[in-house]
Amino acid sequence: GAVVSQHPSRVICKSGTSVKIECRSLDFQATTMFWYRQFPKQSLMLMATSNEGSKATYEQGVEKDKFLINHASLTLSTLTVTSAHPEDSSFYICSATGGLEQYFGPGTRLTVT
Amino acid sequence: DQQVKQNSPSLSVQEGRISILNCDYTNSMFDYFLWYKKYPAEGPTFLISISSIKDKNEDGRFTVFLNKSAKHLSLHIVPSQPGDSAVYFCAASSFNAGNNRKLIWGLGTSLAVNP
Repeated sequence: GAVVSQHPSRVICKSGTSVKIECRSLDFQATTMFWYRQFPKQSLMLMATSNEGSKATYEQGVEKDKFLINHASLTLSTLTVTSAHPEDSSFYICSATGGLEQYFGPGTRLTVT
Repeated sequence: DQQVKQNSPSLSVQEGRISILNCDYTNSMFDYFLWYKKYPAEGPTFLISISSIKDKNEDGRFTVFLNKSAKHLSLHIVPSQPGDSAVYFCAASSFNAGNNRKLIWGLGTSLAVNP
């Protein structure tokens, strides 16, 4: 199956700093990438959809100035959490698609202290 | 408002028996449905999907059934194996404001297959 990687797998940062998470499709070109957030014992919450070379489409309630998404190529999308606060601590997962199915990365555990 | 519902948060099955995971949806515009399996602290893994024009899709031990009139789909795993123990998410495909396909997720069902 298609492989999607995420880096880093876990990160701890101080409140007020910014953190960048990378998502790469390793063996296919992803026309669209998605960023999700998962809270404990809850379902996946879609944050935004990004297409290569264009601005991301954010879901309602997601601050686009806080969660910066860049989809620079067909194999790479980045999510930058700016001025992170403890409430941003969560499990962030990306997925990529070239068709109907989405293939997910392993996730990034962000802890903001 | 939960458009995709998995009403059973957990399910326990004996090894070798059939596991049936259920999913209901409310939006008749969904045209594609998917099942994913997820282990803790990992991303979901795609299992099987079905188009709204079909009522059944089979892949090895996994079969998905779709009843459009009832807006209901189910995932059957037979025979169940201990390695199948995970959280299973049902997802429905729709379009977002940017005309991209996005997935609407259920809350998941935690399956435990006992040896």
